[in-house]
Amino acid sequence: DGGITQSPKYLFRKEGQNVTLSCEQNLNHDAMYWYRQDPGQGLRLIYYSQIVNDFQKGDIAEGYSVSREKKESFPLTVTSAQKNPTAFYLCASSMIPVRPTDTQYFGPGTRLTVL
Amino acid sequence: GENVEQHPSTLSVQEGDSAVIKCTYSDSASNYFPWYKQELGKRPQLIIDIRSNVGEKKDQRIAVTLNKTAKHFSLHITETQPEDSAVYFCAASSPVVSGGYNKLIFGAGTRLAVHP
Repeated sequence: DGGITQSPKYLFRKEGQNVTLSCEQNLNHDAMYWYRQDPGQGLRLIYYSQIVNDFQKGDIAEGYSVSREKKESFPLTVTSAQKNPTAFYLCASSMIPVRPTDTQYFGPGTRLTVL
Repeated sequence: GENVEQHPSTLSVQEGDSAVIKCTYSDSASNYFPWYKQELGKRPQLIIDIRSNVGEKKDQRIAVTLNKTAKHFSLHITETQPEDSAVYFCAASSPVVSGGYNKLIFGAGTRLAVHP
């Protein structure tokens, strides 16, 4: 999991602004994921990508957008349409998503706060 | 839709005691069940996982059991130590029918406190 980096560690956003969270991995993993974590709740899937130039919505995709132009990178944009964006955002990757036993490894997370 | 329920939400034990966390899943097609440990402000880290063709797996003080018929699995920590204090998440794989691959569904987490 040391091969996944996220930046910034802390991010403050004013209401109405879009912000982009960075996620990079050097593990040569095909699949990448974005999760949102709120206090007292589990991880909820926002978007996932199993290959470059392809991504699918997860369970809570509204107000978020992603791109996957490079295998190593999967940035997440939190748009002004996201009603309650304050949360801890975790990026993860796994070797090949088709195999159900492929472990997901997590980045260190970005804590986003809306002012 | 797919769902994973995890109990208890908080667990407090004395050092040296055992701790058990239980999860129930809804998707009978689930066949991979990882457990993650998350310390405060840190990333979740995989501590143990089990495949559906195995009923039990052990790694030192940690063990996981799986009952596919009942659709539940449990994490057992023996001889607990203060450094075991963290939030533990269970998860179950779930096939994405339209995509032909799998995603993980996470439980809500258990906050374990081990008191010296």
